[in-house]
Amino acid sequence: GAGVSQSPSNKVTEKGKDVELRCDPISGHTALYWYRQSLGQGLEFLIYFQGNSAPDKSGLPSDRFSAERTGGSVSTLTIQRTQQEDSAVYLCASSLGLDGYTFGSGTRLTVV
Amino acid sequence: GENVEQHPSTLSVQEGDSAVIKCTYSDSASNYFPWYKQELGKGPQLIIDIRSNVGEKKDQRIAVTLNKTAKHFSLHITETQPEDSAVYFCAASRGSSYKLIFGSGTRLLVRP
Repeated sequence: GAGVSQSPSNKVTEKGKDVELRCDPISGHTALYWYRQSLGQGLEFLIYFQGNSAPDKSGLPSDRFSAERTGGSVSTLTIQRTQQEDSAVYLCASSLGLDGYTFGSGTRLTVV
Repeated sequence: GENVEQHPSTLSVQEGDSAVIKCTYSDSASNYFPWYKQELGKGPQLIIDIRSNVGEKKDQRIAVTLNKTAKHFSLHITETQPEDSAVYFCAASRGSSYKLIFGSGTRLLVRP
C-alpha cells in the first residue's frame, strides 16, 4: 500500500483482557517499529524489527507485551492481561534503511 | 542509554514570526537527526532531517542546524502560518541502529 496501515484505529477493552494490534508496513520496507504515545506525551520506543535479525525488544515495558513480524511484513503487537496504564496510542512505523520513518495513524487503546 | 531533551514544551508565535525549537542529545555516536510534525489524530510525519556530516539543511521555510560539539540541533520555521500549528518532535539515532529516540515534543501555536 501507499502508507503504513494500522488496525483497529480504536480499541476499547476491559481490564485483564488480551488485545492484538496490527501493522501493515510499506511494501519493501525492511525495518518496522512500534512506539507508544501516552496522552500529551512523547513517543516511547517499544520494539523494532530489522530484516531477519533478532528484534530489539529493549523498550517493552513488561512481559505482558510481545510482538511478532511474520514473513518480514505484517506485525502484531500483543498485550496480555491489559491494565489501565496500558491506555495510549500505539504507533507503528516502517523504514527502508536510514531514510526516516513513515508512521501509521496509530491505534488508540483504552482499557476500562 | 541515549536521551534526547527538547524545549520549549509549548511555543506560541504570531503569524509571520519565526519559531525555533531546540534539542540536545546525550550519545556522541548519534549521527542522524530527523524532525517530525504531528497533527491532531494523526501519526508523526517527517518534515526534515540532517546527518552529522552536515551543519545546516534548508527546505523552503524550514531549516535545521546541528552543532556536534555541543550535541544540540534546532528546527527553525520562518514566516509561520496557522497551518504550522502542531506538535513537533526531534529525534536522534546512531548509524549502527535504525532505532530513533524522540524528544518529548513541542506544541507550536501560530496565532492568526
